[in-house]
Amino acid sequence: DAGVIQSPRHEVTEMGQEVTLRCKPISGHDYLFWYRQTMMRGLELLIYFNNNVPIDDSGMPEDRFSAKMPNASFSTLKIQPSEPRDSAVYFCASSPLGRRGGYTFGSGTRLTVV
Amino acid sequence: AQSVTQPDIHITVSEGASLELRCNYSYGATPYLFWYVQSPGQGLQLLLKYFSGDTLVQGIKGFEAEFKRSQSSFNLRKPSVHWSDAAEYFCAVGAIWDNAGNMLTFGGGTRLMVKP
Repeated sequence: DAGVIQSPRHEVTEMGQEVTLRCKPISGHDYLFWYRQTMMRGLELLIYFNNNVPIDDSGMPEDRFSAKMPNASFSTLKIQPSEPRDSAVYFCASSPLGRRGGYTFGSGTRLTVV
Repeated sequence: AQSVTQPDIHITVSEGASLELRCNYSYGATPYLFWYVQSPGQGLQLLLKYFSGDTLVQGIKGFEAEFKRSQSSFNLRKPSVHWSDAAEYFCAVGAIWDNAGNMLTFGGGTRLMVKP
Protein backbone atom coordinates (compact mmCIF):
# COMPACT_ATOMS: atom_id res chain seq x y z
CA ASP A 1 0.00 0.00 0.00
CA ALA A 2 1.27 3.48 -0.83
CA GLY A 3 0.11 4.88 2.48
CA VAL A 4 -1.82 8.10 2.93
CA ILE A 5 -1.10 10.42 0.03
CA GLN A 6 -1.37 14.17 0.34
CA SER A 7 -0.98 16.82 -2.32
CA PRO A 8 0.54 19.23 -2.83
CA ARG A 9 3.58 18.89 -0.53
CA HIS A 10 4.10 22.64 -0.52
CA GLU A 11 1.73 25.46 -1.32
CA VAL A 12 2.49 29.16 -1.36
CA THR A 13 -0.43 31.46 -1.98
CA GLU A 14 -1.39 35.07 -1.57
CA MET A 15 -3.75 36.24 1.11
CA GLY A 16 -7.34 36.11 -0.06
CA GLN A 17 -6.84 33.24 -2.47
CA GLU A 18 -8.60 29.90 -2.24
CA VAL A 19 -6.48 26.91 -1.24
CA THR A 20 -7.42 23.26 -1.66
CA LEU A 21 -5.52 20.48 0.04
CA ARG A 22 -6.03 16.89 -1.04
CA CYS A 23 -5.82 13.52 0.67
CA LYS A 24 -6.09 9.92 -0.44
CA PRO A 25 -6.49 7.60 2.56
CA ILE A 26 -5.40 3.99 2.76
CA SER A 27 -7.85 1.73 1.01
CA GLY A 28 -10.21 0.08 3.47
CA HIS A 29 -9.71 2.59 6.25
CA ASP A 30 -13.00 3.82 7.65
CA TYR A 31 -11.81 6.98 9.36
CA LEU A 32 -10.12 10.04 7.98
CA PHE A 33 -8.71 12.90 10.04
CA TRP A 34 -7.43 16.35 9.15
CA TYR A 35 -4.87 17.92 11.49
CA ARG A 36 -3.05 21.23 11.53
CA GLN A 37 0.41 21.60 13.06
CA THR A 38 2.02 24.89 14.10
CA MET A 39 4.83 25.77 16.44
CA MET A 40 2.51 27.73 18.69
CA ARG A 41 -0.43 25.34 18.94
CA GLY A 42 1.11 21.95 18.16
CA LEU A 43 -1.07 19.29 16.56
CA GLU A 44 -4.75 20.24 16.31
CA LEU A 45 -7.57 18.02 15.09
CA LEU A 46 -9.68 19.97 12.63
CA ILE A 47 -12.29 17.44 11.49
CA TYR A 48 -12.79 13.72 11.07
CA PHE A 49 -14.92 11.53 8.87
CA ASN A 50 -16.36 8.05 9.34
CA ASN A 51 -17.37 6.26 6.15
CA ASN A 52 -17.22 9.56 4.27
CA VAL A 53 -19.54 11.33 6.71
CA PRO A 54 -18.21 14.26 8.75
CA ILE A 55 -18.58 13.37 12.41
CA ASP A 56 -16.96 16.21 14.31
CA ASP A 57 -15.86 19.50 12.82
CA SER A 58 -15.58 21.39 16.09
CA GLY A 59 -11.87 21.91 15.48
CA MET A 60 -12.37 23.81 12.27
CA PRO A 61 -11.24 27.30 13.17
CA GLU A 62 -13.63 29.38 11.10
CA ASP A 63 -16.19 29.28 8.35
CA ARG A 64 -13.36 29.94 5.94
CA PHE A 65 -12.42 26.28 6.40
CA SER A 66 -14.41 23.47 4.85
CA ALA A 67 -13.77 19.78 4.27
CA LYS A 68 -15.41 17.19 2.09
CA MET A 69 -15.10 13.50 1.48
CA PRO A 70 -17.05 12.69 -1.69
CA ASN A 71 -15.95 9.05 -1.68
CA ALA A 72 -13.89 6.59 0.33
CA SER A 73 -10.69 7.37 -1.52
CA PHE A 74 -10.58 11.15 -1.55
CA SER A 75 -10.93 14.11 0.77
CA THR A 76 -10.30 17.83 0.45
CA LEU A 77 -9.70 20.63 2.90
CA LYS A 78 -10.45 24.05 1.49
CA ILE A 79 -9.60 27.47 2.86
CA GLN A 80 -11.40 30.43 1.30
CA PRO A 81 -10.23 33.13 1.64
CA SER A 82 -6.80 32.26 3.00
CA GLU A 83 -5.01 34.42 5.58
CA PRO A 84 -1.37 34.54 6.73
CA ARG A 85 -2.33 32.98 10.07
CA ASP A 86 -3.43 29.86 8.20
CA SER A 87 0.21 29.13 7.42
CA ALA A 88 0.93 25.69 8.90
CA VAL A 89 1.51 22.08 8.01
CA TYR A 90 -1.73 20.23 7.36
CA PHE A 91 -1.80 16.48 7.87
CA CYS A 92 -4.28 13.91 6.80
CA ALA A 93 -4.46 10.58 8.61
CA SER A 94 -6.59 7.48 8.20
CA SER A 95 -7.50 4.64 10.49
CA PRO A 96 -9.24 1.32 10.14
CA LEU A 97 -12.31 0.37 12.09
CA GLY A 98 -11.59 -1.15 15.46
CA ARG A 99 -9.70 -0.34 18.60
CA ARG A 100 -6.27 -1.31 17.50
CA GLY A 101 -5.95 0.67 14.33
CA GLY A 102 -3.92 3.64 15.29
CA TYR A 103 -3.43 6.29 12.65
CA THR A 104 -1.39 6.35 9.49
CA PHE A 105 -0.34 9.87 8.60
CA GLY A 106 0.42 11.42 5.27
CA SER A 107 3.56 13.47 4.72
CA GLY A 108 1.65 16.70 5.09
CA THR A 109 1.13 19.87 3.07
CA ARG A 110 3.16 22.89 4.12
CA LEU A 111 0.99 25.93 3.46
CA THR A 112 2.42 29.42 3.37
CA VAL A 113 0.07 32.36 2.93
CA VAL A 114 1.84 35.61 2.11
CA ALA B 1 -11.99 13.22 28.54
CA GLN B 2 -8.53 11.84 28.05
CA SER B 3 -5.35 13.91 28.09
CA VAL B 4 -1.64 13.36 27.55
CA THR B 5 1.27 15.24 29.07
CA GLN B 6 4.82 15.12 27.81
CA PRO B 7 6.71 17.07 30.47
CA ASP B 8 9.89 17.58 28.46
CA ILE B 9 9.63 19.91 25.48
CA HIS B 10 13.28 19.48 24.51
CA ILE B 11 15.83 16.81 25.38
CA THR B 12 19.45 16.61 24.29
CA VAL B 13 21.46 13.42 24.60
CA SER B 14 24.84 12.32 23.33
CA GLU B 15 25.04 9.73 20.62
CA GLY B 16 25.34 6.29 22.18
CA ALA B 17 23.71 7.36 25.42
CA SER B 18 20.45 5.92 26.68
CA LEU B 19 17.17 7.76 26.26
CA GLU B 20 13.92 7.97 28.15
CA LEU B 21 11.04 10.19 27.05
CA ARG B 22 8.25 10.67 29.51
CA CYS B 23 4.55 10.42 28.89
CA ASN B 24 1.73 10.69 31.40
CA TYR B 25 -1.88 10.18 30.52
CA SER B 26 -5.26 10.70 32.04
CA TYR B 27 -8.05 8.37 31.05
CA GLY B 28 -10.91 6.79 32.94
CA ALA B 29 -10.62 3.32 31.48
CA THR B 30 -7.98 1.01 30.10
CA PRO B 31 -6.07 3.14 27.65
CA TYR B 32 -4.66 2.33 24.28
CA LEU B 33 -1.29 4.02 24.06
CA PHE B 34 0.91 4.96 21.13
CA TRP B 35 4.24 6.58 20.41
CA TYR B 36 4.83 8.36 17.10
CA VAL B 37 7.98 9.91 15.69
CA GLN B 38 8.13 12.87 13.31
CA SER B 39 11.33 13.49 11.42
CA PRO B 40 11.85 16.98 9.96
CA GLY B 41 9.55 17.60 7.02
CA GLN B 42 7.78 14.30 7.46
CA GLY B 43 4.50 13.03 8.80
CA LEU B 44 4.10 11.10 12.02
CA GLN B 45 5.23 7.49 11.95
CA LEU B 46 4.02 4.88 14.43
CA LEU B 47 6.83 3.58 16.65
CA LEU B 48 4.89 1.25 18.90
CA LYS B 49 1.54 0.69 20.57
CA TYR B 50 0.11 -0.87 23.69
CA PHE B 51 -3.32 -2.43 24.02
CA SER B 52 -3.12 -5.15 26.65
CA GLY B 53 -0.94 -7.94 27.96
CA ASP B 54 2.78 -7.54 28.46
CA THR B 55 3.40 -4.03 29.75
CA LEU B 56 6.75 -3.78 27.99
CA VAL B 57 6.26 -3.34 24.27
CA GLN B 58 8.84 -3.35 21.54
CA GLY B 59 8.70 -1.10 18.54
CA ILE B 60 10.61 -0.22 15.44
CA LYS B 61 14.09 1.32 15.35
CA GLY B 62 15.07 -0.30 18.65
CA PHE B 63 12.57 1.59 20.79
CA GLU B 64 10.55 0.15 23.64
CA ALA B 65 7.98 1.54 26.04
CA GLU B 66 6.64 0.41 29.38
CA PHE B 67 3.07 0.85 30.54
CA LYS B 68 2.77 1.53 34.26
CA ARG B 69 -0.84 1.75 35.31
CA SER B 70 -0.04 2.84 38.87
CA GLN B 71 1.87 5.84 37.55
CA SER B 72 -0.36 6.51 34.52
CA SER B 73 2.78 6.53 32.44
CA PHE B 74 3.98 5.14 29.14
CA ASN B 75 7.63 6.15 28.86
CA LEU B 76 9.63 5.55 25.71
CA ARG B 77 13.17 4.19 25.97
CA LYS B 78 16.13 3.35 23.81
CA PRO B 79 19.39 1.92 25.18
CA SER B 80 21.70 3.64 22.69
CA VAL B 81 20.69 6.68 20.67
CA HIS B 82 21.82 7.22 17.09
CA TRP B 83 22.14 10.59 15.40
CA SER B 84 19.28 9.61 13.10
CA ASP B 85 16.93 9.46 16.11
CA ALA B 86 16.87 13.26 16.28
CA ALA B 87 13.21 14.07 15.73
CA GLU B 88 10.04 15.01 17.54
CA TYR B 89 8.24 12.31 19.50
CA PHE B 90 4.55 12.26 20.28
CA CYS B 91 2.72 10.16 22.82
CA ALA B 92 -0.98 9.51 22.23
CA VAL B 93 -3.81 7.89 24.15
CA GLY B 94 -6.73 6.23 22.42
CA ALA B 95 -10.32 6.27 23.53
CA ILE B 96 -13.18 4.19 22.37
CA TRP B 97 -16.25 5.82 21.05
CA ASP B 98 -19.24 4.05 19.68
CA ASN B 99 -17.35 0.83 20.33
CA ALA B 100 -15.35 1.40 17.20
CA GLY B 101 -12.40 3.23 15.95
CA ASN B 102 -9.79 5.15 17.79
CA MET B 103 -9.97 8.78 18.78
CA LEU B 104 -6.40 9.65 19.64
CA THR B 105 -5.39 12.50 21.89
CA PHE B 106 -1.80 13.62 21.31
CA GLY B 107 0.67 15.09 23.73
CA GLY B 108 2.53 18.28 22.93
CA GLY B 109 5.61 16.42 21.72
CA THR B 110 9.23 16.17 22.85
CA ARG B 111 11.95 17.35 20.52
CA LEU B 112 15.06 15.17 20.75
CA MET B 113 18.45 16.50 19.77
CA VAL B 114 21.47 14.21 19.54
CA LYS B 115 24.99 15.49 20.17
CA PRO B 116 27.84 13.83 18.28
